[in-house]
Amino acid sequence: DVKVTQSSRYLVKRTGEKVFLECVQDMDHENMFWYRQDPGLGLRLIYFSYDVKMKEKGDIPEGYSVSREKKERFSLILESASTNQTSMYLCASSLRGVVYGYTFGSGTRLTVV
Amino acid sequence: AQKITQTQPGMFVQEKEAVTLDCTYDTSDPSYGLFWYKQPSSGEMIFLIYQGSYDQQNATEGRYSLNFQKARKSANLVISASQLGDSAMYFCAMRFDNTDKLIFGTGTRLQVFP
Repeated sequence: DVKVTQSSRYLVKRTGEKVFLECVQDMDHENMFWYRQDPGLGLRLIYFSYDVKMKEKGDIPEGYSVSREKKERFSLILESASTNQTSMYLCASSLRGVVYGYTFGSGTRLTVV
Repeated sequence: AQKITQTQPGMFVQEKEAVTLDCTYDTSDPSYGLFWYKQPSSGEMIFLIYQGSYDQQNATEGRYSLNFQKARKSANLVISASQLGDSAMYFCAMRFDNTDKLIFGTGTRLQVFP
């Protein structure tokens, strides 16, 4: 069964901490994505990567960075966590092409206190 | 600008009835894909159905069908014979030929009651 795995389901961090959210896919997909989901705002793209070591900013990249050293792994980094980064974070992967949808991980609910 | 709009924040439907969830989109690109996802309270996003912009027929997947009206730029999801397990958030999304990004609407919360 193909899947996208996010390392943590729930995470509580303190303001100012450096936070790593990990995502691994086993489908040999070229593309990987990080979204955050907030009530009433839907899913907003933070960063995406279309190849190893390649990354592009999404709609809301401020306060975040990413790393993709291997094809199967895409990490989201909060350099200095703030309370306004409390959210649900969803990782996804896909093949290239308009006909392909995304496969999502189960999400990480991050609370910054 | 490319945009997806879901105007229904919440919908109620009785079990075994059909329900339509609205989705409109805005794009000038001729080639695009439209997707619907379901998100139960557990949080995972589940792919339901896909419609390509050049597809002549409406997509169907079991109890799900997509009412695609290209001229109106709408892609409404129809769920027939609703079940209690259909209670969830539903997201409409769009993907374009020149980008690998999926743009999402704000979602509709569907509640199915007995």
